[in-house]
Amino acid sequence: GAVVSQHPSWVICKSGTSVKIECRSLDFQATTMFWYRQFPKQSLMLMATSNEGSKATYEQGVEKDKFLINHASLTLSTLTVTSAHPEDSSFYICSARNPGTDNEKLFFGSGTQLSVL
Amino acid sequence: DAKTTQPPSMDCAEGRAANLPCNHSTISGNEYVYWYRQIHSQGPQYIIHGLKNNETNEMASLIITEDRKSSTLILPHATLRDTAVYYCIVKWREGSNYKLTFGKGTLLTVNP
Repeated sequence: GAVVSQHPSWVICKSGTSVKIECRSLDFQATTMFWYRQFPKQSLMLMATSNEGSKATYEQGVEKDKFLINHASLTLSTLTVTSAHPEDSSFYICSARNPGTDNEKLFFGSGTQLSVL
Repeated sequence: DAKTTQPPSMDCAEGRAANLPCNHSTISGNEYVYWYRQIHSQGPQYIIHGLKNNETNEMASLIITEDRKSSTLILPHATLRDTAVYYCIVKWREGSNYKLTFGKGTLLTVNP
């Protein structure tokens, strides 16, 4: 199946700093990628849909100025958590769909555990 | 999106079949049933999906009732590595535009 790579796997940062998370589709081109957030013992919550070459579409309640999404190429989307605070500590996961033969499936990255001190 | 109902947890003995149920009584004719699983601290993994007919792949089988109001994911010979949270999702597919909304899922624990 298609491979989605997410980096870094974990990051610890000080409150007030910004953190960038990268999501790459390694063997296919993804016009659309999705960003999820997951708090401990809870399900995945969709944050936004990242569209290549255009603005991201954010879910209700997600601050677009805090969670900056850039999808500059067909294989890379980035999520930047700006001015991170302890309540932003969470597991962030990206996903993408291979528009080819795997069009019906979403492939997920391995996730990024963010801890804000 | 149609909502799904899954038991919060299930246990299964290693080597036995694991049957995970899912109710989706409000599913519409264009909505597919997807199953994903998430092992602790990892991204979800696609398992299988279907519309009307039963489906089988190398990982599992998906049995969908004739009225499509419920389905069962079957892991034929569960192993300890199958311990994970299993998510049943229904989603309308409109060309290339769709997104998946996850519920709470079922925590399957495979015991030795």
